[in-house]
Amino acid sequence: DVVMTQSPLSLPVTLGQPASISCRSSQSLVYSDGETYLNWFQQRPGQSPRRLIYKVSNRDSGVPDRFSGSGSGTDFTLKISRVEAEDVGVYYCMQATHWPLTFGGGTKVEIK
Amino acid sequence: EVQLLESGGDLVQPGGSLRLSCEASGFTFAGHAMSWVRQAAGKGLEWVSTIHANGDYRQYADSVKGRLTISRDNSKNTLHLQMNNLKAEDTAIYYCAREGHPSPGYDSFDIWGQGTMVTVSP
Repeated sequence: DVVMTQSPLSLPVTLGQPASISCRSSQSLVYSDGETYLNWFQQRPGQSPRRLIYKVSNRDSGVPDRFSGSGSGTDFTLKISRVEAEDVGVYYCMQATHWPLTFGGGTKVEIK
Repeated sequence: EVQLLESGGDLVQPGGSLRLSCEASGFTFAGHAMSWVRQAAGKGLEWVSTIHANGDYRQYADSVKGRLTISRDNSKNTLHLQMNNLKAEDTAIYYCAREGHPSPGYDSFDIWGQGTMVTVSP
């Protein structure tokens, strides 16, 4: 199985400051069609998960442009350019290149 | 409005059975693969199972293979998860999630339901 390792586990951030979450996979996430199926999800307290980013860097509809995804191969990053109060929650990366589909352990973003 | 509504969660004894349902609305259900993802209390997300839009292709996590069965009724816009021989470690919130593509993996989990709670305990 592909192991997805996120860091840090917890990320205290000052409002208005940037935040960055790392996600590393145990093997390349490049599929045979040339695409990389790496997604990012946000789960606010008490809510269902919500997809933010698909295929490494594509923002879902309605996702603020302060969220951006980057990376390639086995190394990926989610960045929030200026953290707002509504960004508090747990963020998960997830790979859909290989079966079984696997998630990272999550990164908890909180306000300092 | 695109919506997924899960139901069927309950308290069940170890070894028991349960059938979860997920009713879809606001989109062409038959055009999308569908999945179940679960989350134990205070824990992360775990993929459980996925079914192709036409129902012909299914995948399961090793932890549930042989005990849980995913199915769908495209005429009723409904996804199911038949859960047999339940174990304590199956206790979790179960979410249904849409794939933005008929085949799984290409556009995973673009829409999620609110979840239904399954508790396996004596």
